[in-house]
Amino acid sequence: DTGVSQDPRHKITKRGQNVTFRCDPISEHNRLYWYRQTLGQGPEFLTYFQNEAQLEKSRLLSDRFSAERPKGSFSTLEIQRTEQGDSAMYLCASSTQLTDTQYFGPGTRLTVL
Amino acid sequence: AQSVSQHNHHVILSEAASLELGCNYSYGGTVNLFWYVQYPGQHLQLLLKYFSGDPLVKGIKGFEAEFIKSKFSFNLRKPSVQWSDTAEYFCAVNANNAGNMLTFGGGTRLMVKP
Repeated sequence: DTGVSQDPRHKITKRGQNVTFRCDPISEHNRLYWYRQTLGQGPEFLTYFQNEAQLEKSRLLSDRFSAERPKGSFSTLEIQRTEQGDSAMYLCASSTQLTDTQYFGPGTRLTVL
Repeated sequence: AQSVSQHNHHVILSEAASLELGCNYSYGGTVNLFWYVQYPGQHLQLLLKYFSGDPLVKGIKGFEAEFIKSKFSFNLRKPSVQWSDTAEYFCAVNANNAGNMLTFGGGTRLMVKP
């Protein structure tokens, strides 16, 4: 069991640029989640996939954010026209439908200059 | 909307002291409850969870938590902390009619002095 992996671990970008993050869930986990965590806060839910279907989206997920899980395995989270307020740790988690316990990856820390 | 409160933002204890971290949630329906821990430089790890049954649940590393439905609480306890328990602790709730999202508290940063 290799755990949830995320790439890159750190990303520094300039305001206005687009960024894309990748998450590889635990194999055979059909549910995948994205969260955002800012300093001193707990993670906040962004979106959720069951297989390739995006079933839930938070109001936090503005139209600059888009997430995909095209083949029901890995997922990507893209932020267009980044703003300084997007600076945060972006966490991915996965679970099975049976246990519904979410296991988290190491996160991607985004810094927008 | 559901919310989760962790009242203690920072806790400092000496080794061997007992620990209790508070967690209250604001949802009246059926809930699944979790405690996650984040050690320095590491990612969130599951400490324990409650879905149903015995309201006193035991987790890894000697931690336990008690679900008190009447108080909407799920406090985390450990009888004797170690320096290695220094970490940030997050309570999280999944309300059964709120999809599959977890709602997290703001976290409690625990420092254990050797």
